[in-house]
Amino acid sequence: EADIYQTPRYLVIGTGKKITLECSQTMGHDKMYWYQQDPGMELHLIHYSYGVNSTEKGDLSSESTVSRIRTEHFPLTLESARPSHTSQYLCASSVNRELSEAFFGQGTRLTVV
Amino acid sequence: SQQGEEDPQALSIQEGENATMNCSYKTSINNLQWYRQNSGRGLVHLILIRSNEREKHSGRLRVTLDTSKKSSSLLITASRAADTASYFCATPMNRDDKIIFGKGTRLHILP
Repeated sequence: EADIYQTPRYLVIGTGKKITLECSQTMGHDKMYWYQQDPGMELHLIHYSYGVNSTEKGDLSSESTVSRIRTEHFPLTLESARPSHTSQYLCASSVNRELSEAFFGQGTRLTVV
Repeated sequence: SQQGEEDPQALSIQEGENATMNCSYKTSINNLQWYRQNSGRGLVHLILIRSNEREKHSGRLRVTLDTSKKSSSLLITASRAADTASYFCATPMNRDDKIIFGKGTRLHILP
């Protein structure tokens, strides 16, 4: 079982609230990712990081922001949640070398009402 | 834009039958990976095939790769109810590149 954890598992929050989705891994992986997945199941990469103080936007534009102050921690923040942010958010990590697989957390299902 | 695209989008078969899913991708790769996702939870890595390999086996899984056609297939033999899940291919292009997933195939095993 992968040592990567996401909290909360489910979150229902009102419009305009600031939220932070937590993601932590204990495997010492340099690379970390955030994916957004809607009910139609396609995964979209929204943020990734190659290591501490390295963050980049993914292929899908997102109003969320991320930080990577510690290797094991890669939180995602929405400053002002909107109903359009309702989705599942999946965090993953991998070793920074060729032929490395990604390990996923269980996801956070966010509903903005 | 997505790098890989799975086909079919959905597949229903009887338990015990074989299930085949395909993945097509657009640019050069150094490896291709298949993942499974149960009920909207996190993805689990199944198998990785290198660009210089043509076929790979792992238990009931068989993966093929045709780099000339930019396509891969995942075969699950003797399917079981527990195989019901969504299956995704992923195509990291090089060591420093991000892992991009296709749209996935929903597999449903009928009892």
